[in-house]
Amino acid sequence: SQQGEEDPQALSIQEGENATMNCSYKTSINNLQWYRQNSGRGLVHLILIRSNEREKHSGRLRVTLDTSKKSSSLLITASRAADTASYFCATDSGAGSYQLTFGKGTKLSVIP
Amino acid sequence: GAGVSQSPRYKVAKRGQDVALRCDPISGHVSLFWYQQALGQGPEFLTYFQNEAQLDKSGLPSDRFFAERPEGSVSTLKIQRTQQEDSAVYLCASSHAGGVSSQPQHFGDGTRLSIL
Repeated sequence: SQQGEEDPQALSIQEGENATMNCSYKTSINNLQWYRQNSGRGLVHLILIRSNEREKHSGRLRVTLDTSKKSSSLLITASRAADTASYFCATDSGAGSYQLTFGKGTKLSVIP
Repeated sequence: GAGVSQSPRYKVAKRGQDVALRCDPISGHVSLFWYQQALGQGPEFLTYFQNEAQLDKSGLPSDRFFAERPEGSVSTLKIQRTQQEDSAVYLCASSHAGGVSSQPQHFGDGTRLSIL
């Protein structure tokens, strides 16, 4: 079963625009991670946010976490064609857990 | 250093055949995970190793699936008597520490398995 659910399922934007993807989950977490997957490749870790953090930045990425709403968002600013990929959120099941549960992902297309 | 390496990249087998998928994790990484990814879906957890110990195999779909990591480095996922529903991409991931979800996982490019 998949705990995290991303929306939208697909997103198409022009290069230079910002892209926002959302993730909702069901049970309490210790931390939440976002990953990117290019077509035919493995997943690449982007950013991890802990349950006691509300916002985190890494380059053009901004992640927010609202544990009261059990939701997270990933913002990519000034998108580039190379950002075209699927983006997944992954959640654990609380302190001491090791297993990650991935959502179905958002497929982002950045048009040059 | 080198990332996680998986082989073969593509595997085609006839229904009923046995297959073996290999994963070479990043050297020194304690944790190793196997995932199954269906088309258009996120990865689904199959099994977890901490060094050579298989601590969790709750995600393996049936007793036809077997994984091992005998020396705590290379791992093999074996599927016996393959069926069409086994067709998927099998991803391997490793992380530096053991037993914690606060470590990023490093993924290989997967093995795309097609059962005819």
